Amino acid sequence: DAGITQSPRHKVTETGTPVTLRCHQTENHRYMYWYRQDPGHGLRLIHYSYGVKDTDKGEVSDGYSVSRSKTEDFLLTLESATSSQTSVYFCAISQKAGGSQETQYFGPGTRLLVL
Amino acid sequence: ILNVEQSPQSLHVQEGDSTNFTCSFPSSNFYALHWYRWETAKSPEALFVMTLNGDEKKKGRISATLNTKEGYSYLYIKGSQPEDSATYLCALNSGNTPLVFGKGTRLSVIA
Repeated sequence: DAGITQSPRHKVTETGTPVTLRCHQTENHRYMYWYRQDPGHGLRLIHYSYGVKDTDKGEVSDGYSVSRSKTEDFLLTLESATSSQTSVYFCAISQKAGGSQETQYFGPGTRLLVL
Repeated sequence: ILNVEQSPQSLHVQEGDSTNFTCSFPSSNFYALHWYRWETAKSPEALFVMTLNGDEKKKGRISATLNTKEGYSYLYIKGSQPEDSATYLCALNSGNTPLVFGKGTRLSVIA
């Protein structure tokens, strides 16, 4: 299994509070991704990173920000959590974009409940 | 945004039945097609990557074919077993962009 961990694995928070989720990898892969999983929507890309300090928006980036100060860590922040952000969040990594090396390897997921 | 469609959305089969489902994608934006298996309460796991028209890949009882000219891929499961119950995702690689995932086909195999 690819060395990807996510923390926390479960979190309950209140509307309006800031929340930061962490993804940590030991594979030295260049690309990292944050997805959310919701019933009927499958996996939707929030943000991704193609290197340290290099990030870009995905399909559902509103209300989220990310940071990547080290190759191994990719942080997802909800500045002011809303109930619509209740979801399961998956981090993924890949060696590169394009070609078979873009196979993505997923972390175990973080369940977030915003009350 | 590229559209990757999977059908059916869900499928119930009896143990021992063979089954197949479809992933459709824009044929003009093709670089590679990925299949993932996603068990409940776990993370998606890569099954296959296919890049060439006519590619066929096989892993045990699961196989996949690819038609890039018409923009579809089939995933086949021969002799379904309860442990095959999962959501099967396909994802399109259209070049230097992140993978675009379909919404998946949820397979339930009834013993």
